[in-house]
Amino acid sequence: TQLLEQSPQFLSIQEGENLTVYCNSSSVFSSLQWYRQEPGEGPVLLVTVVTGGEVKKLKRLTFQFGDARKDSSLHITAAQPGDTGLYLCAGAQSGGSYIPTFGRGTSLIVHP
Amino acid sequence: DAMVIQNPRYQVTQFGKPVTLSCSQTLNHNVMYWYQQKSSQAPKLLFHYYDKDFNNEADTPDNFQSRRPNTSFCFLDIRSPGLGDAAMYLCATSGRQGNQPQHFGDGTRLSIL
Repeated sequence: TQLLEQSPQFLSIQEGENLTVYCNSSSVFSSLQWYRQEPGEGPVLLVTVVTGGEVKKLKRLTFQFGDARKDSSLHITAAQPGDTGLYLCAGAQSGGSYIPTFGRGTSLIVHP
Repeated sequence: DAMVIQNPRYQVTQFGKPVTLSCSQTLNHNVMYWYQQKSSQAPKLLFHYYDKDFNNEADTPDNFQSRRPNTSFCFLDIRSPGLGDAAMYLCATSGRQGNQPQHFGDGTRLSIL
């Protein structure tokens, strides 16, 4: 059983469409990170969310942390081919280890 | 810029021939991690160092070893690589606290002949 359930696992969409990726858990997290990884490269941090209910925007990307700090979502508006990549959520459990747990990842392909 | 650097970016070795991957960091982070990642999957933690303290994941094969001679450098040694060890190997660093993000290198793509 995954501590962080990430969905969907694969997403193939057309340029201009919107999409949402979800990261859910039954555990409380002190923070959650979202990363994007392009082929042949390491994951790059997009955002860290810390406060329950927090919403952060990064251009066309909107990140939300659930009120109870058990879930998070990433919404992309008007997706572009440059958004293609593997999106990973990761977090450290509140009161637990400093070692982050990763979700399974969402592989996104945006077709021109 | 402060960063995590992995060498080499691509490594080809023969079945059973030992190989060493290296990672260096200029972030002065206490924690260094080694992950194995296969295609379109999440990184799988192999082990990590908290300062000099080595922490092995329970399901990491004995074939995999690591060394951290100082704060800046960490090595991954694969003693007898098998075909199933072909993967991307990622090094990451972080500070002590659990809510600090990880900083990843660009990885080493390992191929086994």
